[in-house]
Amino acid sequence: EVQLVESGGGLVQPGRSLRLSCAVSGFNFDEYGMQWVRQAPGKGLEWVSGISWDGGRIAYADSVRGRFTISRDNAKKSLYLYMNSLRGEDTAFYYCAKEFVMRAYQFEVIDIWGQGTMVTVSS
Amino acid sequence: DIQMTQSPSSLSASVGDTVIITCRASQGISNSLAWYQQKPGKAPNLLLYAASRLESGVPSRFSGSGSGTDYTLTISSLQPEDFATYYCQQYYTSPLTFGPGTKVSVK
Repeated sequence: EVQLVESGGGLVQPGRSLRLSCAVSGFNFDEYGMQWVRQAPGKGLEWVSGISWDGGRIAYADSVRGRFTISRDNAKKSLYLYMNSLRGEDTAFYYCAKEFVMRAYQFEVIDIWGQGTMVTVSS
Repeated sequence: DIQMTQSPSSLSASVGDTVIITCRASQGISNSLAWYQQKPGKAPNLLLYAASRLESGVPSRFSGSGSGTDYTLTISSLQPEDFATYYCQQYYTSPLTFGPGTKVSVK
């Protein structure tokens, strides 16, 4: 069974940093691109960042570029999101997500989502 | 960035109804469009990709069509479990972008 389990969320003050992790199982992690998507309470989905299967292609939403960094450790089957200079508008559920296509050369549709981890930015 | 719009933003329907949701991209996306269903407190669930391809395990009452900038999701014979919010997403180019969502509620 494919599983994505996020961790690292919590309450953090504005301007501080946080690292989210996503531990995966049930598929060959090193063959699939991964993404982070967030959802503010009561709001819609917002794509945050994506990383290709080999880490060679990375992209960010305009709202987080320069503050967030995505990375992956294929040996540990883990995805990360380093979030710096956090703002109130970063408050959201953060979902880790697996792409549908193996070894894709562009960012692809998401077929599996984690259950999310909540990040609250507040003083 | 490609902007995605959806209409309507919400609708009320009854079991057995046919529901049509439209999604428009600010530029052509060559059918690189997915539809997701999300229920309260749950992660989204992939319904269709490549505009019209049904994800494995998704009921055939869900269908998609469109090309260029305009796409539709059709739910035929709405079932009780279909009351949810639906999002389109373009994956033609990064940053990937979602539509604002369409909430389907009980009439």
